[in-house]
Amino acid sequence: RKEVEQDPGPFNVPEGATVAFNCTYSNSASQSFFWYRQDCRKEPKLLMSVYSSGNEDGRFTAQLNRASQYISLLIRDSKLSDSATYLCVGPRGGSYIPTFGRGTSLIVHP
Amino acid sequence: DTGVSQNPRHKITKRGQNVTFRCDPISEHNRLYWYRQTLGQGPEFLTYFQNEAQLEKSRLLSDRFSAERPKGSFSTLEIQRTEQGDSAMYLCASSPTTGTSGGFSYNEQFFGPGTRLTVL
Repeated sequence: RKEVEQDPGPFNVPEGATVAFNCTYSNSASQSFFWYRQDCRKEPKLLMSVYSSGNEDGRFTAQLNRASQYISLLIRDSKLSDSATYLCVGPRGGSYIPTFGRGTSLIVHP
Repeated sequence: DTGVSQNPRHKITKRGQNVTFRCDPISEHNRLYWYRQTLGQGPEFLTYFQNEAQLEKSRLLSDRFSAERPKGSFSTLEIQRTEQGDSAMYLCASSPTTGTSGGFSYNEQFFGPGTRLTVL
């Protein structure tokens, strides 16, 4: 099993929709998780950190479920500009090595 | 610009040639990472440095790959005897090491724009 797994999608949603992505991880000792956004042919950029208590930033909410070993990203009121690939990251094997999922593609259409 | 920079942005080479890429991290960041990314995949870890010390190297990395960070500032990644399978985007990222300092979080990374390598 890969250390960090994501459904690659694509998720195709209309503007204004709410969409959620999950990312499962295998190492139960993992402590720090992040969501990155990557636009086509660009570098990943940090979107949100994922705290045990959850994290909300405007239309974006990130949550961590330790019991089921997954993190989630919820996007409310989707905008056309949200179209991108969303990458989840967790440390590998309790180390400081960030391991990326393959990314989930989101397409928001008018 | 105080972000991470990478040079060159694009490199086209013939199979068998050697190539070298450079990464200049954010100046106060101790950690520097190299990743490789191919289409439809997330960034794949190659190696990382804590200051000038190379602390880990991916087992997937062949002996043709070598990286240095001689003074704990910029880093270079060299690929010898390139193969067509080396064609990818090579990303560099830097991060601070402390927990919460200046708004940074543990292991939060800042990426450079990448070097796109094409091996013909």
